Amino acid sequence: DAGVTQSPTHLIKTRGQQVTLRCSPKSGHDTVSWYQQALGQGPQFIFQYYEEEERQRGNFPDRFSGHQFPNYSSELNVNALLLGDSALYLCASSHGLAGVYGELFFGEGSRLTVL
Amino acid sequence: QQPVQSPQAVILREGEDAVINCSSSKALYSVHWYRQKHGEAPVFLMILLKGGEQKGHEKISASFNEKKQQSSLYLTASQLSYSGTYFCGTLLIDKIIFGKGTRLHILP
Repeated sequence: DAGVTQSPTHLIKTRGQQVTLRCSPKSGHDTVSWYQQALGQGPQFIFQYYEEEERQRGNFPDRFSGHQFPNYSSELNVNALLLGDSALYLCASSHGLAGVYGELFFGEGSRLTVL
Repeated sequence: QQPVQSPQAVILREGEDAVINCSSSKALYSVHWYRQKHGEAPVFLMILLKGGEQKGHEKISASFNEKKQQSSLYLTASQLSYSGTYFCGTLLIDKIIFGKGTRLHILP
């Protein structure tokens, strides 16, 4: 049983560029949450997708957008990249909102470096 | 809204005990604990629900004081494998908000 998979694992972009990160949830999970983790900090909630809709959003600008596909996989898009967007982006999956009452399964993350 | 963790870092010798605290300015419904080893994904340790049973992991247990809006994680007879960063998370309108973490380093 594959866990949460994310791609790419590492990428380097320059300021102003756009990036797309991908996530496949654990089998049987239908909810995907995205977190940004800066070096030495805790994961910061970006947004959550369920039934192909954004259900919750954290304090992130509109440059951060996402999508969930019918197979429950998800993408995170960041436009007009800033140096401060450099971070580890974590995807976490759960079965419905049960995840917030139980366990989130995290992927290994995509490490984004903006130069 | 972000829970506050203390201490920020702990260094222990193998076999010693440690306590990590998590507090919130908001009323807590549940507290979630995760551990992240260097270069790895956070891994679920336990959840404590308001008025519910605490669920332990190995020699790690936790308490939840609803009135004080606090939770504490207890690591007993620590092992080298316990090294990592511990995060507490609190539930806020169906999303989990994490603290900044407590770095735990176990020395042999």
